[in-house]
Amino acid sequence: KQEVTQIPAALSVPEGENLVLNCSFTDSAIYNLQWFRQDPGKGLTSLLLIQSSQREQTSGRLNASLDKSSGRSTLYIAASQPGDSATYLCAVNGNKLVFGAGTILRVKS
Amino acid sequence: NAGVTQTPKFQVLKTGQSMTLQCAQDMNHEYMSWYRQDPGMGLRLIHYSVGAGITDQGEVPNGYNVSRSTTEDFPLRLLSAAPSQTSVYFCASNRQGPTTDTQYFGPGTRLTVL
Repeated sequence: KQEVTQIPAALSVPEGENLVLNCSFTDSAIYNLQWFRQDPGKGLTSLLLIQSSQREQTSGRLNASLDKSSGRSTLYIAASQPGDSATYLCAVNGNKLVFGAGTILRVKS
Repeated sequence: NAGVTQTPKFQVLKTGQSMTLQCAQDMNHEYMSWYRQDPGMGLRLIHYSVGAGITDQGEVPNGYNVSRSTTEDFPLRLLSAAPSQTSVYFCASNRQGPTTDTQYFGPGTRLTVL
């Protein structure tokens, strides 16, 4: 059974700092991995989707990497802003999405 | 284009009551799914549908029923509500299935069962 773990569970950083969120998974037989953002009381917004054949994806200040063989993904956020404060969820897709519990990020101004 | 819509946003039930959570999408997506989100546990798949008339169980299907009579709508029914079903429920859709493209999520329904 696929298990997804996200570390750290919570993170507080000053504005402008670069940061890395980590996601690990137990079964490397996946189609893709997705990173989502969730604002309090809201639904999920897709940030990046990495297919299993890819190593990384970039969107603006966000860069996600995937190392399928080691069961790891990272989400790198450059020059963090208070508007980046949210919960970030990693989801691994074997043929259904399995989610991690998320990392709560707070960027202080 | 409204995307994925869910109603109601909030609901309080008593144990044993039944209700239906509504979900609709206007993107002509074939694949729709229901998740529940509990603190510290991430989202877990309840039921999903790969097209009108076709549904299947996810990880935590007990106590829930679904049907898919149209491409647009995918309601979730709680047959006899229990306190363990207190959660936030999210509906999602995508064009072909989660193996190929990203999912679009609704805003959620926050359900409390007393």
